[in-house]
Amino acid sequence: GAVVSQHPSRVICKSGTSVKIECRSLDFQATTMFWYRQFPKQSLMLMATSNEGSKATYEQGVEKDKFLINHASLTLSTLTVTSAHPEDSSFYICSASFAGKNIQYFGAGTRLSVL
Amino acid sequence: AQSVTQLGSHVSVSEGALVLLRCNYSSSVPPYLFWYVQYPNQGLQLLLKYTSAATLVKGINGFEAEFKKSETSFHLTKPSAHMSDAAEYFCAVSETGGGKLIFGQGTELSVKP
Repeated sequence: GAVVSQHPSRVICKSGTSVKIECRSLDFQATTMFWYRQFPKQSLMLMATSNEGSKATYEQGVEKDKFLINHASLTLSTLTVTSAHPEDSSFYICSASFAGKNIQYFGAGTRLSVL
Repeated sequence: AQSVTQLGSHVSVSEGALVLLRCNYSSSVPPYLFWYVQYPNQGLQLLLKYTSAATLVKGINGFEAEFKKSETSFHLTKPSAHMSDAAEYFCAVSETGGGKLIFGQGTELSVKP
């Protein structure tokens, strides 16, 4: 149980285009979802926290207009990287948790490469 | 503010040897502590968690960790390393368990045949 699916696993796009990444909880209702960014050989940095039906809470230094997060249902959150540039290339990972369970379940990650 | 420090960005052991990955934390409240493993180009898999119950926590794949409040440590151990244990390991702390996680820098474990 507690499976989180992230799609796509890899995406290559041209500079200036927008990319959407989906994060789905397959067998539970995720009251909270998290989006992380990971640079090569580095740790995970939390970008934002989203609760279903509410606006996401962004960490300091993360541009909310650049990284649009939508958590429209209890099983789906999306991260849209708008007007992507090469410096946005990274590994993006989502996670989800639900009330009463004190852990986060992680997706497999999305490798974004912006040319 | 919470923080996590993992001592040693890279640890190398021989197959069958003891694995010891170090983690020290800082927290103003009783913490929830976690160890996650990450294989290349994959997400994180939970190895074990501490949630104020038993101080010695047993996880998957033969790993365990001991919470030592006096030392603010939560070191991860495994008696006998296997080649499949080679991966990146992250220690993390949270105030609320299912809430915001603060990760350590990660430790890459290599296992030599």
